[in-house]
Amino acid sequence: GDSVTQMEGPVTLSEEAFLTINCTYTATGYPSLFWYVQYPGEGLQLLLKATKADDKGSNKGFEATYRKETTSFHLEKGSVQVSDSAVYFCALKTNSKLTFGKGITLSVRP
Amino acid sequence: SAVISQKPSRDICQRGTSLTIQCQVDSQVTMMFWYRQQPGQSLTLIATANQGSEATYESGFVIDKFPISRPNLTFSTLTVSNMSPEDSSIYLCSVLSLASSTDTQYFGPGTRLTVL
Repeated sequence: GDSVTQMEGPVTLSEEAFLTINCTYTATGYPSLFWYVQYPGEGLQLLLKATKADDKGSNKGFEATYRKETTSFHLEKGSVQVSDSAVYFCALKTNSKLTFGKGITLSVRP
Repeated sequence: SAVISQKPSRDICQRGTSLTIQCQVDSQVTMMFWYRQQPGQSLTLIATANQGSEATYESGFVIDKFPISRPNLTFSTLTVSNMSPEDSSIYLCSVLSLASSTDTQYFGPGTRLTVL
């Protein structure tokens, strides 16, 4: 079946550091790929998405590129802020069904 | 985007009781889903709520434990029946509108359930 694997966390960074959160997937067919974010005390929000190979999703300074050859969708940001502290979930969708990774907690210290 | 509200936002319940969670969307949507997020875990799909017919449950979830209703295109309920401490989770409603040009799925704020 479909699955999403995220790197183990938590991750703690200093403000303005570079961020990479790894995500790889296994799926039948050609899934759409997503990153969702859950800020403390809030609901799940879509951060960015990509629907086909080589697409790059971007939002709020975050980027992720759909790499079919490596089945990956790593999340990156050049300079993190304290306000980026949250839980990040990688997900894929096939046939209208979303499959999530385990999520990773990011803490950014001033 | 769709605006989704859930009631209650949180509750503390006794073992053996049942709780019904409501999900209201501000626009008509094609698909509605219920997820569970156990402490420190990812989101797991419980079922797809179908308007006017029985919900479609994922492996490991059954109607007797998680009855679901969807009387119209903007509203659904999930009941957690005969609760035990293992049911302590965040329950999230999610919607998808196939009529839109995007396949983005939106999530409600969640209902945090604690079972004592």
